[in-house]
Amino acid sequence: QKEVEQNSGPLSVPEGAIASLNCTYSDRVSQSFFWYRQYSGKSPELIMSIYSNGDKEDGRFTAQLNKASQYVSLLIRDSQPSDSATYLCAVNSGGYQKVTFGTGTKLQVIP
Amino acid sequence: DTAVSQTPKYLVTQMGNDKSIKCEQNLGHDTMYWYKQDSKKFLKIMFSYNNKELIINETVPNRFSPKSPDKAHLNLHINSLELGDSAVYFCASSRNPQGTYEQYFGPGTRLTVT
Repeated sequence: QKEVEQNSGPLSVPEGAIASLNCTYSDRVSQSFFWYRQYSGKSPELIMSIYSNGDKEDGRFTAQLNKASQYVSLLIRDSQPSDSATYLCAVNSGGYQKVTFGTGTKLQVIP
Repeated sequence: DTAVSQTPKYLVTQMGNDKSIKCEQNLGHDTMYWYKQDSKKFLKIMFSYNNKELIINETVPNRFSPKSPDKAHLNLHINSLELGDSAVYFCASSRNPQGTYEQYFGPGTRLTVT
């Protein structure tokens, strides 16, 4: 089982719709969870971090964490073509000495 | 001001050569990383340094040798380059090594080995 799993996509949504990106992780003691966005040819940049069960909202983005199910998700409301990118889920693991990235989900927002 | 910078941005070289990539961060962070991102976009950690000390070495061939002269700099030297080393190499930094804070990435170095 991979440490951090994401559906590679592409996930296609129409402009204005809600995009839902999912991530599961294997290390039960993980405490820190991150979503990064990576545009083609660019470096990853942080969108959201979440540490507690429940929802965390920031503008059009909502991160959801369920530690019992080892599941973290990212919702993007009112998706825009500029949201088209690869979204990387990252989880701290290995006795908290490293962060492991998922393989990323490619999101395409269709105008 | 650039938070995490890398040089060079592009590196094209032949098999068997030795090359270096330099990284600097001006964020005052204690921890720096090297990642390799292959053609399938998987971002894999290679090394992690905390206050100049190596703390993660992820089964990377010993042709790769990182060096951290101080906590703001982390360089990567690669000997005897192979075709499979072609990838984008990202440097990153964070406040601590425990993974409790976000990482800030440099712009990446695209290495092409021919």
